[in-house]
Amino acid sequence: NAGVMQNPRHLVRRRGQEARLRCSPMKGHSHVYWYRQLPEEGLKFMVYLQKENIIDESGMPKERFSAEFPKEGPSILRIQQVVRGDSAAYFCASSPNTAGDEQYFGPGTRLTVT
Amino acid sequence: AQSVAQPEDQVNVAEGNPLTVKCTYSVSGNPYLFWYVQYPNRGLQFLLKYITGDNLVKGSYGFEAEFNKSQTSFHLKKPSALVSDSALYFCAVREPGNNRLAFGKGNQVVVIP
Repeated sequence: NAGVMQNPRHLVRRRGQEARLRCSPMKGHSHVYWYRQLPEEGLKFMVYLQKENIIDESGMPKERFSAEFPKEGPSILRIQQVVRGDSAAYFCASSPNTAGDEQYFGPGTRLTVT
Repeated sequence: AQSVAQPEDQVNVAEGNPLTVKCTYSVSGNPYLFWYVQYPNRGLQFLLKYITGDNLVKGSYGFEAEFNKSQTSFHLKKPSALVSDSALYFCAVREPGNNRLAFGKGNQVVVIP
């Protein structure tokens, strides 16, 4: 059973470009979470999705950031018009259901904005 | 809002000695508590969780943690540390009714040979 897959592992973007981060959850998992890890800090929750639905986006910045989890295909975290402050590691996690289940994390995408 | 405090930045311990990584939490209601470990340039690996039941929880790689409701703590322990245990350890909490994990800032554990 493959774990949570994320790609790309490393992404370099110039200021103003768009970044697209992909996450494929573990087989059988229908819940996806995105977290951001800034240098020297812990992970901060961004958004929680189920298939085709955003359930909780309380941690998402109000502008430039969006997320989706379509019926077919991976979950996408999209950052428009990136700025240097967006440089971070972005982790995706998945779980089979919500009742007390641990979340399984992918290896992360390290975004560098130059 | 749920939150976690990991008061120490770094924990140094000699190989073979007991290892303790401290965690206190703040949450409304009964907490779901988790420990994760992160190796350099890797994602987080799940170690153990407390949902309900016995306050002493056993997890992967010989780690255990004790839930103490009166002290709102969930300290991670290992009786005999290995050099390979050197990594970044995160405590996390979830409130019933929502799915987002709140993480502490992490503790760097250094096991000295």
